[in-house]
Amino acid sequence: DGGITQSPKYLFRKEGQNVTLSCEQNLNHDAMYWYRQDPGQGLRLIYYSQIVNDFQKGDIAEGYSVSREKKESFPLTVTSAQKNPTAFYLCASSIEASRNQPQHFGDGTRLSIL
Amino acid sequence: GEDVEQSLFLSVREGDSSVINCTYTDSSSTYLYWYKQEPGAGLQLLTYIFSNMDMKQDQRLTVLLNKKDKHLSLRIADTQTGDSAIYFCAESSKGRDDKIIFGKGTRLHILP
Repeated sequence: DGGITQSPKYLFRKEGQNVTLSCEQNLNHDAMYWYRQDPGQGLRLIYYSQIVNDFQKGDIAEGYSVSREKKESFPLTVTSAQKNPTAFYLCASSIEASRNQPQHFGDGTRLSIL
Repeated sequence: GEDVEQSLFLSVREGDSSVINCTYTDSSSTYLYWYKQEPGAGLQLLTYIFSNMDMKQDQRLTVLLNKKDKHLSLRIADTQTGDSAIYFCAESSKGRDDKIIFGKGTRLHILP
């Protein structure tokens, strides 16, 4: 079945540690996105990528980094510079950039601080 | 900047219709979406409507768009316990690459 797979489902970070969240899609979508969800705040865009080897900052990129070396993969690294990383992280993809196509979401990764 | 507003909570008795409302500010919106999020899960695309349409129906779901008032609604007929979730309204615009603006979500609670 085609879809978006996020792993792990739960992740714990120690102080000063970088952690990487995985997002893989087999939908052959060009565009991929990372969102952060906090209670009562909806979704906020962290980074997005319209095509392989290219990505742009979203609204809250500070303390995060991404790479897009393969079309199907868009990992997100939460760095030690992100002082409040506890949140639910959602990855999404859409068929083609700049065509207003619906975004399809993975099941999310919940990140907590130890 | 662009904004999408929706009420945070809605309680409906099982078997009744639920109506979730949303307003948006971007007059150049192209598509408007409704997503459903169950506890601990990602967002599931329920339906979407192109901005030149007034209405779209899909089984128990009816979407109404009033472009003049920038108002979107989602009606769920014969609400069931499985409809209990958070519903997100979202919109996209040609002038914004394909970035989607999401509302904060409406939590639908089903009363027995």
